[in-house]
Amino acid sequence: SQTIHQWPATLVQPVGSPLSLECTVEGTSNPNLYWYRQAAGRGLQLLFYSVGIGQISSEVPQNLSASRPQDRQFILSSKKLLLSDSGFYLCAWTLQGRMSLPLHFGNGTRLTVT
Amino acid sequence: AQTVTQSQPEMSVQEAETVTLSCTYDTSESDYYLFWYKQPPSRQMILVIRQEAYKQQNATENRFSVNFQKAAKSFSLKISDSQLGDAAMYFCAYRKTQGGSEKLVFGKGTKLTVNP
Repeated sequence: SQTIHQWPATLVQPVGSPLSLECTVEGTSNPNLYWYRQAAGRGLQLLFYSVGIGQISSEVPQNLSASRPQDRQFILSSKKLLLSDSGFYLCAWTLQGRMSLPLHFGNGTRLTVT
Repeated sequence: AQTVTQSQPEMSVQEAETVTLSCTYDTSESDYYLFWYKQPPSRQMILVIRQEAYKQQNATENRFSVNFQKAAKSFSLKISDSQLGDAAMYFCAYRKTQGGSEKLVFGKGTKLTVNP
């Protein structure tokens, strides 16, 4: 069966520090991968998605970037964090080209920028 | 661009009663998929139910059912015999089938409280 791992679970970082959140999927090949952010009291905002290695689509101009160095690995990064980057970050995957299938989410990372 | 609107930021229901959560969406597509996700306090996203737009029959999953009105672009979730464990944030989501879009667009959510 497929599983998704996302870490760390919580992170407290000072303003201006770098960020790296990692997500890996097991049990499948060539998945679509997604990074969503959930700010307090708000819905899920799609940040990035990827349909293959090195293929990244950015949805919202921001202080963040994403990379997919391996088929089942998706990394969310920032060179210098802002206070507004605080939030709950969710990684998700689904089978490529199967629009009827739902996204499967990791357990999320709670990021607090101080 | 497709948008999903959940007009009820918060709802409450008595245990064992029925509650309906509203969702509307904006699209020019004729075929697409709609989903309801539940996010309990643990913040894990859990799929509740999904609906294919070309199917007129409303989807059901045990105590959860939808009222899909394609012409009105409405996709409401009905929870019957509400249980304390149903307390969560509920998100409606849309995904189109054509055009190579791999995105799932979410509404802002409805917080459901279940009172004992």
